[in-house]
This record gives sequence, structure tokens and C-alpha cells, in this order.
Amino acid sequence: GENVEQHPSTLSVQEGDSAVIKCTYSDSASNYFPWYKQELGKRPQLIIDIRSNVGEKKDQRIAVTLNKTAKHFSLHITETQPEDSAVYFCAASRKGSGGYNKLIFGAGTRLAVHP
Amino acid sequence: EAQVTQNPRYLITVTGKKLTVTCSQNMNHEYMSWYRQDPGLGLRQIYYSMNVEVTDKGDVPEGYKVSRKEKRNFPLILESPSPNQTSLYFCASSLWPNTEAFFGQGTRLTVV
Repeated sequence: GENVEQHPSTLSVQEGDSAVIKCTYSDSASNYFPWYKQELGKRPQLIIDIRSNVGEKKDQRIAVTLNKTAKHFSLHITETQPEDSAVYFCAASRKGSGGYNKLIFGAGTRLAVHP
Repeated sequence: EAQVTQNPRYLITVTGKKLTVTCSQNMNHEYMSWYRQDPGLGLRQIYYSMNVEVTDKGDVPEGYKVSRKEKRNFPLILESPSPNQTSLYFCASSLWPNTEAFFGQGTRLTVV
């Protein structure tokens, strides 16, 4: 079945630096790749997503890139701020046994942004 | 306000005592899921539902049951809880698969 591997597991940066989190997936049929942010004690929330017909997507300081050939996608956060500190999860879609898509999540990256 | 509501938020129970965690959404979403979150393992899907009376196993369904009798509700049932089901559980809903998932507040379950 689909495996999603996420690296690094922890990332520490100085405020203003960039942060990059990488994920790889195994199912070439995957076509939807969301990223979720989970602040301490809170629920995960979608921050950006990309579909397989697009190579890159940006939303202000956040961007996601997708390389379908290599089966990897990355989250880029520029000009990091302390409020970016959280756990970030990548995910990839996969067809379930019932024929409907479901999400497989990576293990998460704990990002700490130091002032 | 559009939301996904889970109850209870915290639950401590004993091995073997049946329990139900409720989940309700008010966004008329078709797709609902249950996940468990464990340290170092991310979010793992337990069950999902595409519509009323349509459910399917996720990646870790053993020991769990679900039902979808109404579109808005998707309860998670543990018939005979065991300590390895101690975890943080999230319900989520989305309009369709492969669209934004909205998560509930989470239920922290401890089985002793």
C-alpha cells in the first residue's frame, strides 16, 4: 500500500530563515497532496494543497512543489516567524478498497522557529 | 459556524467496557473519517465514509466499528477497548475525497 515518508522529523530555524520539509510517496496513482499544520494542543488545519496536474503552488510565504517522476513533494516556508512553530504533516491520496480516495499521512515534522 | 464537533474531549475507561465517541458536522459534507494520532506515527486512518450507509476500512480498523446512518453523524465505537487503543482520536469531514478536511477538536482516550 501507499507509504508516505516525511523528513526531517524535527527542524529548528532562526526567525526569518526558510524551512523546507520533504515527503516521498510510493503510489504513482496518488493525485492529491495536502499539507496540514497542527499547533500544540490543537486540531490539524490545512495550509496548502497541490494536485498532480500542477508542479508548484504558492500562498504568500508558503509554497509546495511536486515532482511526480521522483514521487516527492516539499513544503517551503520563507521568512519564518515564531507563529510558524508547529507540527506539519504531509499526506498523499490513495484509492481505498471501496474505490474511494483516502489520505495517507506522513509521521510529521516538528518545526521550531527561534526569535 | 461551520464545524466538526467531537465528544467527549477526554475519556478514561477500563479494558473491555464498550464506548462510543460521537462526531457531528454541520457543513453537509459527504466524506467523513476517523484518525488516531500516536507519537512518531502521524495520523492513521481508522475508517472512512463516503455517504450514508457507505463505509470502508482505513489502515488501522481492527478493534473499531463505525456507522453512518445520517449524513451529519459518524460515531466511532470501541466494542471492547484495550490499552493499545489509548490514543488521540480525530474525526474529520470534507465535501468530497481529495478536498480540504476539517478536523474536530480531538478526543484523548486512555484505556487502563
